Amino acid sequence: GAGVSQSPSNKVTEKGKDVELRCDPISGHTALYWYRQSLGQGLEFLIYFQGNSAPDKSGLPSDRFSAERTGGSVSTLTIQRTQQEDSAVYLCASSQQGLNQPQHFGDGTRLSIL
Amino acid sequence: SQELEQSPQSLIVQEGKNLTINCTSSKTLYGLYWYKQKYGEGLIFLMMLQKGGEEKSHEKITAKLDEKKQQSSLHITASQPSHAGIYLCGADRGGTASKLTFGTGTRLQVTL
Repeated sequence: GAGVSQSPSNKVTEKGKDVELRCDPISGHTALYWYRQSLGQGLEFLIYFQGNSAPDKSGLPSDRFSAERTGGSVSTLTIQRTQQEDSAVYLCASSQQGLNQPQHFGDGTRLSIL
Repeated sequence: SQELEQSPQSLIVQEGKNLTINCTSSKTLYGLYWYKQKYGEGLIFLMMLQKGGEEKSHEKITAKLDEKKQQSSLHITASQPSHAGIYLCGADRGGTASKLTFGTGTRLQVTL
């Protein structure tokens, strides 16, 4: 497809379970970002990948959160031992290389922890 | 307090009316991005402003970045129901757009 693709679109799981969220960026985009959007906190940066550079993990809220980007394309965000406060919409974005390139967002994964 | 404050938080306007949304930063902006979001969907990129005094337009939407680069406004002329949604401003602090800081959003409703 032409845009950023995220899966699943919705995920409901029990507290304590692990979840994996997937993001397929726009073809040719070297930068990939994960954000979290929740009612109380708005839209928050989580992690950023750029090419082969070490990712910027400064936004990850705890060590239960991790992300990988394989082959410079698809990314997976993993949340271990989920807690109720992890409930949110997780948004992925990608952009072209270079300064001031706009980020293009997927439709997000709505995660609900019971 | 938020680094980026948007006002108003919500807005209801009648179709055909003009409206303005403001985004104020507590720090200098290297780049300011405007996005629109509809419920259950991702963010749609509208415009990016970099230089103080810059103004850009797309269809009936105009955005400006003030000279001191700490405030931006988004103006919609002759609003339509299709303009309804949440408008978010995003700030690039370092010029690389590696991570954007977003405002709290402005929810716009357009009534017939």
